[in-house]
Amino acid sequence: AQSVAQPEDQVNVAEGNPLTVKCTYSVSGNPYLFWYVQYPNRGLQFLLKYITGDNLVKGSYGFEAEFNKSQTSFHLKKPSALVSDSALYFCAVRERGNTPLVFGKGTRLSVIA
Amino acid sequence: GAGVSQSPSNKVTEKGKDVELRCDPISGHTALYWYRQRLGQGLEFLIYFQGNSAPDKSGLPSDRFSAERTGESVSTLTIQRTQQEDSAVYLCASSGRTGTGEAFFGQGTRLTVV
Repeated sequence: AQSVAQPEDQVNVAEGNPLTVKCTYSVSGNPYLFWYVQYPNRGLQFLLKYITGDNLVKGSYGFEAEFNKSQTSFHLKKPSALVSDSALYFCAVRERGNTPLVFGKGTRLSVIA
Repeated sequence: GAGVSQSPSNKVTEKGKDVELRCDPISGHTALYWYRQRLGQGLEFLIYFQGNSAPDKSGLPSDRFSAERTGESVSTLTIQRTQQEDSAVYLCASSGRTGTGEAFFGQGTRLTVV
């Protein structure tokens, strides 16, 4: 069965610095990969996804992620963090075919002014 | 509808009572998911429906939990004989047939068992 690991519970970064939120996955075949963000007292919002093609995908709010098949990773990145990026970030994976979408446990990002 | 709709938004129930949570997915979405999110925690997969296929119930934590879906529309999640550890936000999401599309989430039902 597919699974996702987000090794960091918390990431702290200064405003204006680059940020990375890590994600690794395990699937038996080729993955579909997703990143979501959850702001306090709000629902989950989709940020970006990797389905096929270019390993670097760009999404909402200036975020991007790089699919690395050899390292089974899909790290989320942003060149310059904003205080408003502070939120809970979730990585998710599904295998191709009729399979559920499985989420990591989340990483709390705190951007400090 | 325009988005995934869940009801009620909040539910307080006494320990031992049964509760029923409802999810209306986006029209045309064949896939529907239920997740549980405890306070400050991640999303715990509960159950997955895809069209007319048999649902994937592998995430249901006990036989007190069950879910149904009518065709490709409304789904209900039922928790029988609620326990305090069932207190959480229950999230529903839907996505399209292909599996490549992102899932869209409802605002959730906050369940409190007292």
